[in-house]
Amino acid sequence: DAGVIQSPRHEVTEMGQEVTLRCKPISGHDYLFWYRQTMMRGLELLIYFNNNVPIDDSGMPEDRFSAKMPNASFSTLKIQPSEPRDSAVYFCASSWTSGPYNEQFFGPGTRLTVL
Amino acid sequence: AQTVTQSQPEMSVQEAETVTLSCTYDTSESDYYLFWYKQPPSRQMILVIRQEAYKQQNATENRFSVNFQKAAKSFSLKISDSQLGDAAMYFCGGGSQGNLIFGKGTKLSVKP
Repeated sequence: DAGVIQSPRHEVTEMGQEVTLRCKPISGHDYLFWYRQTMMRGLELLIYFNNNVPIDDSGMPEDRFSAKMPNASFSTLKIQPSEPRDSAVYFCASSWTSGPYNEQFFGPGTRLTVL
Repeated sequence: AQTVTQSQPEMSVQEAETVTLSCTYDTSESDYYLFWYKQPPSRQMILVIRQEAYKQQNATENRFSVNFQKAAKSFSLKISDSQLGDAAMYFCGGGSQGNLIFGKGTKLSVKP
């Protein structure tokens, strides 16, 4: 199994530009999670999906952020317009089921730098 | 509400020695699980060990074990026979139904 795949691995953009991060979960997993990691705030859950449906987006920082999951094998996290404070590492993770007993498998992350 | 606190920003251990990383987890949920993830410099998040809150017995995975004290809200990680490859950031966390909360992490250095 290839694991969770994220692209790009690194993204450098200028303030005001649109940024799209991509994630392919492990085949068969029905939960998908987006996290953001910064030195100041640590690892934060942004949003998660179950069977392609967003369940909890309370962690999404503001309207500039949006996430979609058009099918079971693909999800995007979009920032429009991007700002320097959005610079962080963004992780995607997936699992078979949520609840107490299942491991979340993380992708390698996308390091985003907004100039 | 849930909170996770890791009070040790950095720890150091001599190779082959034992080290314990501390964590406290507070939640109003009755059904939850706790875990430790490791993040080496490659930044890949790797599950180290997991503990279901309802279990009395502490989880063990090879050189890694936890000491879960539910009443004290304590969930510490013990690494025995430390190896150079154990050097990483360690994140404690917990949750249920997908709502996972992580601590700020402890950076572990292993001295040869």
